[in-house]
Amino acid sequence: AQRVTQPEKLLSVFKGAPVELKCNYSYSGSPELFWYVQYSRQRLQLLLRHISRESIKGFTADLNKGETSFHLKKPFAQEEDSAMYYCALSGEGSGNTGKLIFGQGTTLQVKP
Amino acid sequence: NAGVTQTPKFRILKIGQSMTLQCTQDMNHNYMYWYRQDPGMGLKLIYYSVGAGITDKGEVPNGYNVSRSTTEDFPLRLELAAPSQTSVYFCASRLAGGTDTQYFGPGTRLTVL
Repeated sequence: AQRVTQPEKLLSVFKGAPVELKCNYSYSGSPELFWYVQYSRQRLQLLLRHISRESIKGFTADLNKGETSFHLKKPFAQEEDSAMYYCALSGEGSGNTGKLIFGQGTTLQVKP
Repeated sequence: NAGVTQTPKFRILKIGQSMTLQCTQDMNHNYMYWYRQDPGMGLKLIYYSVGAGITDKGEVPNGYNVSRSTTEDFPLRLELAAPSQTSVYFCASRLAGGTDTQYFGPGTRLTVL
C-alpha cells in the first residue's frame, strides 16, 4: 500500500538552528515526491519536488530510495519558516493522474 | 488570474442537510481534485477529474458526489451530511498529470452538527 509517514507532529527549533523534517514513504515502484507548505492564513503551496533537485527558500530534500525517505532540510532556520509542512507522494505509472498521497503534516515552529 | 477559488469559506450544516461546495479555476487546468483535511490526519483525496465529463473516486468518496461539466468548475456535493464529514475541504487543480504543480484553493471549513 502507498503510504507517507511524517513521524513528528511538531518540530520546535530556535532561529539559526538546523532543521530536518522527516518523511518516509511506502511504495513499490518509482515514486514522485513533493513537499508542500502552508503558512498561517495562506493556502497550501508547493515548496519543492524531488525531480527538480532544487533549493527553495534554503530548503533541500534528497530522495533516498534505500531508506525510502525524503527528508526536508535547512541549515539555518528563520522565523518566517514557521508553517505546516506536508510530504506527498504521487505513485502511479502509466496514465498518471497526479493523485497525491499526503503525510500527516509537521508543524515547524521557529522561535526567536 | 484568481487561480483556484472556493465558496463558501465556512458553513455549518445540520445532520441530514445537503450542500454543494463550489470550486472554480481560471488556469485552464485539465485535472482537478477534492481533498479533505482532518486534524492530525493530513489530506485525503475524495474525488478527482482528468477533464470535463470525467470523474473518478479517490480514497474517501463515500457520502460525496462530483460533476465536471466544464473545465473550470468542479463542485462537490454532500448528501445527507453527517458529523464525520466535519472537515476542511480543499480543491486543487493542475495542468496535466505527472509532476506538474497542484494549485490549491483556500479551503472550506465545514461543521456538521
